[in-house]
Amino acid sequence: DVKVTQSSRYLVKRTGEKVFLECVQDMDHENMFWYRQDPGLGLRLIYFSYDVKMKEKGDIPEGYSVSREKKERFSLILESASTNQTSMYLCASSLMSNQPQHFGDGTRLSIL
Amino acid sequence: AQSVTQLGSHVSVSEGALVLLRCNYSSSVPPYLFWYVQYPNQGLQLLLKYTTGATLVKGINGFEAEFKKSETSFHLTKPSAHMSDAAEYFCAVSRSNDYKLSFGAGTTVTVRA
Repeated sequence: DVKVTQSSRYLVKRTGEKVFLECVQDMDHENMFWYRQDPGLGLRLIYFSYDVKMKEKGDIPEGYSVSREKKERFSLILESASTNQTSMYLCASSLMSNQPQHFGDGTRLSIL
Repeated sequence: AQSVTQLGSHVSVSEGALVLLRCNYSSSVPPYLFWYVQYPNQGLQLLLKYTTGATLVKGINGFEAEFKKSETSFHLTKPSAHMSDAAEYFCAVSRSNDYKLSFGAGTTVTVRA
């Protein structure tokens, strides 16, 4: 089974802080994704990566950046956290396009 | 761009009753369609997928969905609800050769004893 591991389940940070969310997958998947989940809005794609050092903006990239230095690891960075970035963040990976995405358990981030 | 509409943000069913969750999509090309389930404090788990071929797709935990191109729908059903089916369900669509999924807003299912 694919295992996607997010480093923290819960995280509390202050406005203006630089925040790092880490995600690791163990199945040599090419593609990795970061979503945020908010009630009534479903999942919205922030960034995705289809190869090491490659990244593309999703639907809501403002205020975020990403890093993929190794195939198994995809990091989401909040450059200067703001209260409107309080949300559930989900990482996912897939072997190739159109294959199902496998999700981590999520990080519930609160920005105070 | 494709979009996904899930009709009804909350559905309540009695244990043993039919579960029906509705999903309609818009896509300019033949879509790939997915249903995911999310249990409390967990990530999303794939229930089933449609790519090509048979339009009635069977998934895990007794769920199935039917792709109806003429209606642009991919509704999810389960003949007999169980208490363990209480969760949030998401419909998602992608285009062929596209990395990205577009998700619906989700439907929360509660099961009454």
